[in-house]
Amino acid sequence: QVQLVQSGAEVKKPGSSVKVSCKTSGGTFRNYPISWVRQAPGQGLEWMGGINPFFGTADYAQKFQGTVTITADESTSTVYMELSSLKSEDTAIYYCARDMRDGYNWALDYWGQGTPVTVSS
Amino acid sequence: SSELTQDPAVSVALGQTVRITCQGDSLGTYYASWYQQKPGQAPLLVIYGNNNRPSGIPDRFSGSSSGITGSLTITGAQAEDEADYYCNCRDSSGNYLVFGGGTKLTVL
Repeated sequence: QVQLVQSGAEVKKPGSSVKVSCKTSGGTFRNYPISWVRQAPGQGLEWMGGINPFFGTADYAQKFQGTVTITADESTSTVYMELSSLKSEDTAIYYCARDMRDGYNWALDYWGQGTPVTVSS
Repeated sequence: SSELTQDPAVSVALGQTVRITCQGDSLGTYYASWYQQKPGQAPLLVIYGNNNRPSGIPDRFSGSSSGITGSLTITGAQAEDEADYYCNCRDSSGNYLVFGGGTKLTVL
């Protein structure tokens, strides 16, 4: 059974950084990319970027290029998402999800439980 | 702004059929996936590749596509289907993943 377990809630000051982890189990870590999606309070879903653990390469939504860094540690089957220069607008729930992308299809089939991040002075 | 457009809210009578749509240019090329999200929960994939159901998803959920519009149909809606539904797809460049704004489904 594939499981993605994320780290706990965070409270951060504006201008600081946050690093959220996503530990995967039940599947072969290298076989699937992992994406990060966030959801601001009362808002919709927003794709931030993803990483292919097999190649160690990450891609990012244009909005997040320069502020988000996604990394993977194969030894612990864990993916990390670090968001820097935090603003109040970054207050959201951050989800990791297993990424099934191929050809014409791109779906996220297993999701972590979400990590609330609050940015407040 | 989202490149995929969904109606903000839709309602359906218990046991009836409802269609939730998602419109965007990239749907003319790429496949839509659909997610159900209930309050306080992570999204759940219900349809991928336009019309495929993951294991464990009831067969009352189905997907289809025509032109630049993707659709999620729930045949015989149940009370537990009340949720927010999101579509997603590659964007027009094919390089990024985009979500629709979501549709709140109310089961009356």
